[in-house]
Amino acid sequence: AQRVTQPEKLLSVFKGAPVELKCNYSYSGSPELFWYVQYSRQRLQLLLRHISRESIKGFTADLNKGETSFHLKKPFAQEEDSAMYYCALGWGNQFYFGTGTSLTVIP
Amino acid sequence: EAGVAQSPRYKIIEKRQSVAFWCNPISGHATLYWYQQILGQGPKLLIQFQNNGVVDDSQLPKDRFSAERLKGVDSTLKIQPAKLEDSAVYLCASSLNGDRGIVQFFGPGTRLTVL
Repeated sequence: AQRVTQPEKLLSVFKGAPVELKCNYSYSGSPELFWYVQYSRQRLQLLLRHISRESIKGFTADLNKGETSFHLKKPFAQEEDSAMYYCALGWGNQFYFGTGTSLTVIP
Repeated sequence: EAGVAQSPRYKIIEKRQSVAFWCNPISGHATLYWYQQILGQGPKLLIQFQNNGVVDDSQLPKDRFSAERLKGVDSTLKIQPAKLEDSAVYLCASSLNGDRGIVQFFGPGTRLTVL
Protein backbone atom coordinates (compact mmCIF):
# COMPACT_ATOMS: atom_id res chain seq x y z
CA ALA A 1 0.00 0.00 0.00
CA GLN A 2 1.30 3.41 -0.97
CA ARG A 3 1.87 5.29 2.25
CA VAL A 4 3.52 8.49 1.00
CA THR A 5 2.49 10.09 -2.29
CA GLN A 6 4.27 12.90 -4.05
CA PRO A 7 2.17 13.54 -7.16
CA GLU A 8 4.71 15.71 -9.00
CA LYS A 9 7.90 14.09 -10.25
CA LEU A 10 9.12 17.37 -11.74
CA LEU A 11 8.36 20.95 -10.75
CA SER A 12 9.77 24.13 -12.26
CA VAL A 13 9.26 27.64 -10.90
CA PHE A 14 10.86 30.99 -11.58
CA LYS A 15 13.18 32.59 -9.06
CA GLY A 16 11.17 34.69 -6.63
CA ALA A 17 7.93 32.80 -7.25
CA PRO A 18 6.18 30.81 -4.53
CA VAL A 19 6.71 27.07 -4.51
CA GLU A 20 4.66 24.24 -3.05
CA LEU A 21 5.70 20.59 -3.12
CA LYS A 22 2.81 18.29 -2.37
CA CYS A 23 2.87 15.30 -0.06
CA ASN A 24 -0.06 13.12 0.95
CA TYR A 25 0.09 10.14 3.23
CA SER A 26 -2.22 7.24 3.93
CA TYR A 27 -1.84 6.15 7.51
CA SER A 28 -4.12 6.17 10.52
CA GLY A 29 -2.90 7.37 13.87
CA SER A 30 -0.21 9.99 14.32
CA PRO A 31 2.85 9.29 12.21
CA GLU A 32 5.86 11.55 12.16
CA LEU A 33 6.38 13.48 8.91
CA PHE A 34 9.61 14.73 7.42
CA TRP A 35 11.00 16.46 4.36
CA TYR A 36 14.45 15.32 3.21
CA VAL A 37 16.41 17.04 0.44
CA GLN A 38 19.21 15.95 -1.85
CA TYR A 39 21.20 18.68 -3.59
CA SER A 40 23.27 17.82 -6.65
CA ARG A 41 26.26 15.64 -5.76
CA GLN A 42 25.38 15.69 -2.06
CA ARG A 43 23.92 13.11 0.27
CA LEU A 44 20.33 12.96 1.41
CA GLN A 45 19.76 15.24 4.41
CA LEU A 46 16.93 16.39 6.63
CA LEU A 47 15.25 19.64 5.64
CA LEU A 48 12.58 19.79 8.32
CA ARG A 49 10.30 17.62 10.44
CA HIS A 50 6.79 18.05 11.71
CA ILE A 51 7.59 17.70 15.41
CA SER A 52 10.02 20.62 15.34
CA ARG A 53 7.55 23.01 13.71
CA GLU A 54 10.49 24.98 12.37
CA SER A 55 11.31 26.94 9.24
CA ILE A 56 14.50 25.93 7.48
CA LYS A 57 15.94 27.94 4.57
CA GLY A 58 12.58 29.69 4.31
CA PHE A 59 10.66 26.43 3.92
CA THR A 60 7.70 25.48 6.09
CA ALA A 61 5.40 22.48 6.14
CA ASP A 62 2.07 22.17 7.89
CA LEU A 63 0.60 18.85 8.87
CA ASN A 64 -3.06 18.69 7.89
CA LYS A 65 -4.50 15.59 9.51
CA GLY A 66 -7.91 16.10 7.92
CA GLU A 67 -6.46 16.03 4.43
CA THR A 68 -3.55 13.75 5.44
CA SER A 69 -1.13 16.14 3.80
CA PHE A 70 2.27 17.63 4.63
CA HIS A 71 2.94 20.05 1.81
CA LEU A 72 6.25 21.93 1.69
CA LYS A 73 6.07 25.65 0.94
CA LYS A 74 8.36 28.58 0.37
CA PRO A 75 7.12 32.06 -0.53
CA PHE A 76 10.06 33.08 -2.72
CA ALA A 77 12.07 30.37 -4.47
CA GLN A 78 15.84 30.77 -4.86
CA GLU A 79 18.14 29.13 -7.41
CA GLU A 80 19.91 27.22 -4.63
CA ASP A 81 16.61 25.50 -3.81
CA SER A 82 16.93 23.38 -6.95
CA ALA A 83 17.17 19.82 -5.65
CA MET A 84 15.34 16.54 -5.15
CA TYR A 85 12.83 16.63 -2.31
CA TYR A 86 11.47 13.56 -0.52
CA CYS A 87 8.56 13.46 1.86
CA ALA A 88 8.90 10.73 4.49
CA LEU A 89 6.78 9.14 7.20
CA GLY A 90 7.89 7.40 10.38
CA TRP A 91 5.62 4.93 12.18
CA GLY A 92 6.66 2.32 14.68
CA ASN A 93 9.86 0.77 13.41
CA GLN A 94 9.08 1.59 9.82
CA PHE A 95 10.08 4.54 7.71
CA TYR A 96 8.57 5.28 4.30
CA PHE A 97 9.76 7.68 1.62
CA GLY A 98 7.78 9.12 -1.27
CA THR A 99 9.10 8.89 -4.81
CA GLY A 100 10.45 12.43 -4.71
CA THR A 101 9.92 15.71 -6.55
CA SER A 102 12.71 17.28 -8.56
CA LEU A 103 12.50 21.06 -8.14
CA THR A 104 14.13 23.36 -10.66
CA VAL A 105 14.24 27.08 -9.97
CA ILE A 106 14.64 29.02 -13.19
CA PRO A 107 16.79 32.16 -12.94
CA GLU B 1 31.81 15.47 13.32
CA ALA B 2 32.45 12.86 10.66
CA GLY B 3 29.44 11.72 8.72
CA VAL B 4 28.25 8.25 7.81
CA ALA B 5 30.83 6.46 5.70
CA GLN B 6 30.10 3.83 3.07
CA SER B 7 32.24 1.75 0.77
CA PRO B 8 32.60 1.00 -2.01
CA ARG B 9 30.99 3.94 -3.77
CA TYR B 10 30.41 1.98 -6.97
CA LYS B 11 30.23 -1.72 -7.77
CA ILE B 12 29.55 -3.56 -10.99
CA ILE B 13 28.95 -7.32 -10.89
CA GLU B 14 27.34 -9.98 -13.01
CA LYS B 15 24.13 -11.67 -12.00
CA ARG B 16 24.52 -14.62 -9.64
CA GLN B 17 27.70 -13.10 -8.16
CA SER B 18 27.96 -11.98 -4.54
CA VAL B 19 28.58 -8.49 -3.24
CA ALA B 20 29.02 -6.82 0.13
CA PHE B 21 28.65 -3.23 1.26
CA TRP B 22 30.15 -1.66 4.35
CA CYS B 23 28.84 1.16 6.54
CA ASN B 24 30.39 3.07 9.43
CA PRO B 25 27.79 5.18 11.26
CA ILE B 26 28.31 8.43 13.13
CA SER B 27 30.05 7.80 16.44
CA GLY B 28 27.58 7.28 19.25
CA HIS B 29 24.61 6.53 17.02
CA ALA B 30 22.83 3.45 18.29
CA THR B 31 20.51 2.96 15.34
CA LEU B 32 21.61 2.00 11.84
CA TYR B 33 19.46 1.63 8.74
CA TRP B 34 20.01 0.14 5.29
CA TYR B 35 17.90 1.42 2.41
CA GLN B 36 17.58 0.36 -1.22
CA GLN B 37 16.86 3.12 -3.73
CA ILE B 38 15.94 1.95 -7.21
CA LEU B 39 16.20 4.56 -9.97
CA GLY B 40 13.15 6.82 -9.98
CA GLN B 41 11.92 5.68 -6.60
CA GLY B 42 12.34 6.81 -3.03
CA PRO B 43 14.53 4.95 -0.56
CA LYS B 44 13.02 1.71 0.76
CA LEU B 45 13.98 0.59 4.26
CA LEU B 46 15.49 -2.91 4.23
CA ILE B 47 16.66 -3.37 7.79
CA GLN B 48 17.06 -1.42 11.02
CA PHE B 49 19.52 -2.21 13.81
CA GLN B 50 19.48 -0.96 17.38
CA ASN B 51 23.05 -1.47 18.60
CA ASN B 52 23.82 -5.03 17.42
CA GLY B 53 20.21 -6.26 17.38
CA VAL B 54 17.75 -6.29 14.50
CA VAL B 55 14.71 -4.09 15.16
CA ASP B 56 12.96 -4.65 11.83
CA ASP B 57 13.87 -6.60 8.72
CA SER B 58 10.39 -7.15 7.32
CA GLN B 59 11.30 -5.74 3.91
CA LEU B 60 14.63 -7.53 3.54
CA PRO B 61 14.54 -10.29 0.87
CA LYS B 62 16.06 -12.86 3.19
CA ASP B 63 16.57 -15.50 0.53
CA ARG B 64 19.43 -13.45 -0.92
CA PHE B 65 20.08 -10.46 1.35
CA SER B 66 21.74 -10.56 4.75
CA ALA B 67 23.05 -7.90 7.09
CA GLU B 68 24.94 -7.83 10.33
CA ARG B 69 26.20 -5.37 12.90
CA LEU B 70 28.19 -7.64 15.15
CA LYS B 71 29.79 -5.13 17.51
CA GLY B 72 27.06 -2.52 17.36
CA VAL B 73 29.10 -0.13 15.24
CA ASP B 74 29.99 -1.02 11.63
CA SER B 75 27.57 -2.94 9.49
CA THR B 76 27.73 -4.99 6.31
CA LEU B 77 24.97 -5.76 3.83
CA LYS B 78 25.43 -8.74 1.54
CA ILE B 79 23.63 -9.94 -1.56
CA GLN B 80 24.14 -13.55 -2.61
CA PRO B 81 23.38 -14.26 -5.41
CA ALA B 82 22.62 -10.95 -7.09
CA LYS B 83 19.82 -10.49 -9.60
CA LEU B 84 19.37 -7.84 -12.26
CA GLU B 85 16.63 -6.18 -10.22
CA ASP B 86 19.07 -5.57 -7.36
CA SER B 87 20.64 -2.74 -9.37
CA ALA B 88 20.13 0.28 -7.12
CA VAL B 89 21.81 2.69 -4.75
CA TYR B 90 22.22 1.22 -1.28
CA LEU B 91 22.06 3.86 1.41
CA CYS B 92 23.17 3.55 5.00
CA ALA B 93 21.85 5.93 7.64
CA SER B 94 22.28 6.30 11.37
CA SER B 95 20.52 8.08 14.21
CA LEU B 96 21.01 8.56 17.92
CA ASN B 97 18.15 6.18 18.67
CA GLY B 98 15.21 4.55 16.97
CA ASP B 99 12.49 7.03 17.87
CA ARG B 100 10.26 7.53 14.86
CA GLY B 101 10.70 11.30 15.05
CA ILE B 102 14.47 11.19 15.15
CA VAL B 103 16.68 12.66 12.44
CA GLN B 104 18.51 10.16 10.25
CA PHE B 105 21.93 11.00 8.81
CA PHE B 106 22.69 9.40 5.46
CA GLY B 107 25.86 8.17 3.87
CA PRO B 108 26.81 8.83 0.23
CA GLY B 109 25.48 5.48 -0.90
CA THR B 110 26.86 2.59 -2.94
CA ARG B 111 25.69 2.38 -6.54
CA LEU B 112 25.33 -1.27 -7.56
CA THR B 113 24.96 -2.32 -11.18
CA VAL B 114 24.13 -5.96 -11.88
CA LEU B 115 24.78 -7.04 -15.48
